[in-house]
Amino acid sequence: GDSVTQMEGPVTLSEEAFLTINCTYTATGYPSLFWYVQYPGEGLQLLLKATKADDKGSNKGFEATYRKETTSFHLEKGSVQVSDSAVYFCALGATSGTYKYIFGTGTRLKVLA
Amino acid sequence: DTEVTQTPKHLVMGMTNKKSLKCEQHMGHRAMYWYKQKAKKPPELMFVYSYEKLSINESVPSRFSPECPNSSLLNLHLHALQPEDSALYLCASSQDSGRGLGKTQYFGPGTRLLVL
Repeated sequence: GDSVTQMEGPVTLSEEAFLTINCTYTATGYPSLFWYVQYPGEGLQLLLKATKADDKGSNKGFEATYRKETTSFHLEKGSVQVSDSAVYFCALGATSGTYKYIFGTGTRLKVLA
Repeated sequence: DTEVTQTPKHLVMGMTNKKSLKCEQHMGHRAMYWYKQKAKKPPELMFVYSYEKLSINESVPSRFSPECPNSSLLNLHLHALQPEDSALYLCASSQDSGRGLGKTQYFGPGTRLLVL
């Protein structure tokens, strides 16, 4: 079945550092891919998405490119801020069986001033 | 507007109580979801409603009873819960629940439930 593997956290960075959070997937078809962010005490917010190979999703300085050849959707940001401290979830829309989201385990990011 | 609202924000209940969680969206979405999220874990799907009909029940105990009175509203009725049911309960909605490109789910802020 479909699955998502996300890098373990926590990730601790200094302000203005470059961020990469790795996400790889396994799917029988061509899933839509998503990144969600969850700030402390809140629900999940859609950060960006991509629906086909080579699509690049971007929002608030974050980017991720749908790479079919490496089955990856890594999240990047050139210069993180303290306000980016949150938990980031990679997710895919299932390609077989009942349609639902498959979530990664989440990566906690802490940005220090 | 991509807002999903949930009430209450916090809820404390005893194991013999009956309570309800409410979720509302006005985006014209025809699929609505309940998730349960434990600390430091991803959300776990509980129920999916599609066009106001229950389409997925992920083997959730009967002490959780969902209801979709209309296309904008989703309730989760709680009865005789256990302490291990304490969690963040998230509601989400999407255009519909079918497979198709970019069926994006939009989440509410959640209800933090504590069962004593």
